[in-house]
Amino acid sequence: GAGVSQSPRYKVAKRGQDVALRCDPISGHVSLFWYQQALGQGPEFLTYFQNEAQLDKSGLPSDRFFAERPEGSVSTLKIQRTQQEDSAVYLCASSRQQETQYFGPGTRLLVL
Amino acid sequence: QKEVEQDPGPLSVPEGAIVSLNCTYSNSAFQYFMWYRQYSRKGPELLMYTYSSGNKEDGRFTAQVDKSSKYISLFIRDSQPSDSATYLCAMKETGGYQKVTFGTGTKLQVIP
Repeated sequence: GAGVSQSPRYKVAKRGQDVALRCDPISGHVSLFWYQQALGQGPEFLTYFQNEAQLDKSGLPSDRFFAERPEGSVSTLKIQRTQQEDSAVYLCASSRQQETQYFGPGTRLLVL
Repeated sequence: QKEVEQDPGPLSVPEGAIVSLNCTYSNSAFQYFMWYRQYSRKGPELLMYTYSSGNKEDGRFTAQVDKSSKYISLFIRDSQPSDSATYLCAMKETGGYQKVTFGTGTKLQVIP
């Protein structure tokens, strides 16, 4: 299993519920990215980590979104008080420094 | 207006046809150009990666970049039913930071 893995693959949440999405990057990949992909759209950048440092979080849509990568490997994207507009596929990608990004399969979030 | 524009399709072609997929962009700082393929319920996978203007060929796939027109293309020769997927163009600026901007994707169906 050398690829990027994400869990859960599917998540149904009630409006107002908090959710946590996990990303396991490829071993040794320094860079990690989160993207949000709405239905029929391309991925939209959310945030970027280099090792444990979050270097860019300009794409996070609101302060309800929070991401961390405390040990420079696994990352978690947390969404507090979910809203219906948060329904989307959340993609994680990892790469070596300044190289190609490899994407995971995504977590499909549905907020009812 | 979005930084990257891509016709969403869908595009339907018979098996064996030549397929042309295109994107336009407005940010003249983009230097790296990519095409990703995304199958249903999967993450994007990198097909082609080019730097600056010119052509690049890889098997049945050819990527073209015309920076003067801010226009990129992906050609698929001898299209196969297995090519049926959504094709995303993507771009990033030169330099160390790797934020990637995606098009909306073109859905392609190759009919046997």
